[in-house]
Amino acid sequence: KAGVTQTPRYLIKTRGQQVTLSCSPISGHRSVSWYQQTPGQGLQFLFEYFSETQRNKGNFPGRFSGRQFSNSRSEMNVSTLELGDSALYLCASSPGTLMNTEAFFGQGTRLTVV
Amino acid sequence: AQSVSQHNHHVILSEAASLELGCNYSYGGTVNLFWYVQYPGQHLQLLLKYFSGDPLVKGIKGFEAEFIKSKFSFNLRKPSVQWSDTAEYFCAVTISGNTPLVFGKGTRLSVIA
Repeated sequence: KAGVTQTPRYLIKTRGQQVTLSCSPISGHRSVSWYQQTPGQGLQFLFEYFSETQRNKGNFPGRFSGRQFSNSRSEMNVSTLELGDSALYLCASSPGTLMNTEAFFGQGTRLTVV
Repeated sequence: AQSVSQHNHHVILSEAASLELGCNYSYGGTVNLFWYVQYPGQHLQLLLKYFSGDPLVKGIKGFEAEFIKSKFSFNLRKPSVQWSDTAEYFCAVTISGNTPLVFGKGTRLSVIA
C-alpha cells in the first residue's frame, strides 16, 4: 500500500510570492491534515479536511488555505509568503477520525522563503 | 484547548542506557495518546498508541509507554537504547479521536557509542 505522498519535496520561494503544496493520502483515507513543523514551535496544526470539507482549523492567518478534492487529494496554499513561513509542511492522512487508528504522515515539503 | 508538554528538549545517552521521556497533557477527559518518532531525514512514524485498556502499551523497536491518568502522563521508556534510536520523539494527544492531533514540541535523543 502506498504511503502518503507529498510534492514537491523542496521549494524555494521569494517573499511576497505564493505557493501550493500537494498531498496524496493513503488509498481509502478520507481525512487529510496539514501541520507546520519548525525548530522553535514543533508541529503546529494548520487544518483538516474530511470528504472535501474543512473540519478543523488551527490558529494560522488567512494567508494559509487549503482544499480537498473528491479523490481525497489535498492542496494547501500560502499567499504573500513571509520569511517566517519557512518550515517543513507535513501532511497526514487517516481513514476518518483518530478514534481507533493513527495518522500516517508524508515526508513533508521543505519550504524556504528568501 | 488541550496542550502537551515534553519536558526534555535534548537528551544524550550512551548506548545500553535506559531511556525515559516525559509527556504530560492538559485535558481531563478521554484521550487517545501517541508517540511518534522522526529519524533524520525520514517521515514521522508511529511508535505506539493508547486508546483504552491496559495502560502499559508496547510499541515497535522495544519501546513502551505507560498511561497514568491521575498524573495526565504518558511517558515513553526503553530499557536499553541503541545508536539507531537517535531521533526526535513527539508525544501527541487527541480527545477521543475526534480532534486533530496536538503535539508536544519534541525531544531530541542523541545516543552515543
